[in-house]
Amino acid sequence: TQLLEQSPQFLSIQEGENLTVYCNSSSVFSSLQWYRQEPGEGPVLLVTVVTGGEVKKLKRLTFQFGDARKDSSLHITAAQTGDTGLYLCAGTGGSARQLTFGSGTQLTVLP
Amino acid sequence: ETGVTQTPRHLVMGMTNKKSLKCEQHLGHNAMYWYKQSAKKPLELMFVYNFKEQTENNSVPSRFSPECPNSSHLFLHLHTLQPEDSALYLCASSYTTGVSQPQHFGDGTRLSIL
Repeated sequence: TQLLEQSPQFLSIQEGENLTVYCNSSSVFSSLQWYRQEPGEGPVLLVTVVTGGEVKKLKRLTFQFGDARKDSSLHITAAQTGDTGLYLCAGTGGSARQLTFGSGTQLTVLP
Repeated sequence: ETGVTQTPRHLVMGMTNKKSLKCEQHLGHNAMYWYKQSAKKPLELMFVYNFKEQTENNSVPSRFSPECPNSSHLFLHLHTLQPEDSALYLCASSYTTGVSQPQHFGDGTRLSIL
């Protein structure tokens, strides 16, 4: 079974601060997706990374896929209250026939 | 608006009740999924349907019975549930069941079992 561990589990920061959340596994993934889930809503896909070492930017969000394709990080610059939500990573590949989700990082950005 | 609509948004039921959750997607996708989301646990895949055919049953108890009459509609029939079944049930769809396909989620049904 492929497992994805996300850290930290909870993060509370002030508006304007920077932060990084992590998604780690002992397994190699062929691709990794990041989703954000806001309260009362379903997860929404933010990005998919497929190449080891790949970096993708989405406005203030920077996603990186590890060289060995076992880990990924999400860095947010100058966080805003609208960034509040549950950030989920999900991986594909190996023996898994479907997406494997991590348990998420709950981010709260305070005004 | 994600293109995936789930009803009802909230459901409270007793352990002996029978109820159904409904999911409808307007994205022209061919694959649909049911997930269970409990606090502090990863999303648990329950069922996968591809072109109306069930392709995955992730060892889900028989008190959960899925139905997929066509590629746009997915139901989850509930019967004799247990308190530990209280959770957010999410429906998702994707163009195919290819593992790299992005999934589009509904906003879920919050289920509480009394």
